[in-house]
Order: sequence, then structure tokens, then C-alpha cells
Amino acid sequence: EVQLVESGGVVVQPGGSLRLSCAASGFTFDDYTMHWVRQVPGKGLEWVALTSWDGFTTYYRDSVRGRFTISRDNRKNSLYLEMSSLRIEDTALYHCAKASAHWYDGMDAWGPGTTVTVSP
Amino acid sequence: DIQLTQSPAFLSASVGDRVTITCRASQGIERYLAWYQQTPGKAPKLLIYAASTLLGGVPSRFSGSGSGTEFTLTISSLQPEDFVLYYCQQLNTYPITFGQGTRLEIK
Repeated sequence: EVQLVESGGVVVQPGGSLRLSCAASGFTFDDYTMHWVRQVPGKGLEWVALTSWDGFTTYYRDSVRGRFTISRDNRKNSLYLEMSSLRIEDTALYHCAKASAHWYDGMDAWGPGTTVTVSP
Repeated sequence: DIQLTQSPAFLSASVGDRVTITCRASQGIERYLAWYQQTPGKAPKLLIYAASTLLGGVPSRFSGSGSGTEFTLTISSLQPEDFVLYYCQQLNTYPITFGQGTRLEIK
């Protein structure tokens, strides 16, 4: 069974830094593109970043590029999101998600998420 | 960025009804569209990808169609567990974007 479990979400002040982790199991981790997607409670879904299977190709939404870094350690079956210069608008529940066999076919497994709160 | 507009935002229906949710893209996305279902407090679940391909294990009452800029998700006979949130997502162009969601409510 595919499992994704995020951790690392805390309350942090604006301008602060944080690292989120996602532990993956139940599939061959290094075969798949991985994503981070966030959701403000009661609001919609917002894609944040993706990394290719080998970590060499990454993409970000404009509002986080230069502040967030997605990475992975295939030896540890883990995905990471380094977040810096945090803003109040980064407050959200952050999910890691596994891409389907073809990355353009959606995200076929999601973790329950970890909450990041940016507050003075 | 490609904007996805879902309609309606709220849909009231009864068990057994057939309903359709529409997702319109601000520019053509071929068939790179997915549909997700989200129960409150839970992570989204992929239902359909490539506009019309049902993920394994998803009930056959769900179907998707469309290409280019207009897409639909149809539920042929609503079951009690279907009264939750639905999102469309485009994967044609970065950034990947989602529709704003459609909440399906029991009438």
C-alpha cells in the first residue's frame, strides 16, 4: 500500500525558515516524480513544486521560486521542501503527492499533510 | 498561468441523480486534465486522468470527457458518499493549476 507521511509543519514568524519532510513507502520511490501541493483551510488546492525522479529537474510556482527548494533522497525514500523567507500567505496545509506513472496523468497518492502557520 | 473555472461552485442533488460538473480552461490544454474528489479533512483522491481515463478502483458511475478548453465530470447515479468536493487540475503547462472546486450537497 502506498503511504506518504509529511512532517515538519510548525508555527513560524514571517521571514523564518522551515523544512518539511515526506516519508514514502509502498512503491519504488525513485521511479516517480513527486510534488508538493498546499491548501489553505476552507480554500482550494495550490500546486507548489515538483521534482523529477532523480531530483535533477524541478519546477516551482512563481510565488515560491527563489524561496522554496524541493529535493529528494532516494536512498531514504524521502521528499523535502526547504522553505525560507516565509510569508503570512504561505500559511497552509502542505501535502506531498506522488505523480502517476506519467507525471502528466495527475497525482495518484497524497499524504494527509502537515500544517505550516506563518504568524507574527 | 492557465485558469480553470469550475461550474457550478455548489450543486444540490439527490441520491440517484445524474450530475455534471464543468471545467473550462483559459487556454487549450489538450487532454491533460485530471479530476479529484476530496472529503473534508482528508487528502484529495485522483478519480480521472487524461480527461477521461478512470483510475483503477474508481466506481464506473464516474466518467470524464472533453479536450482543449472544456471538460466535464459526470456522476451517473449519486451515492451518499459522493456528496463532497471535486476539483479539476491541468497538467499541460507550468504552473500546474486547479479549479476552485465544486461542492456537491444533498438536496
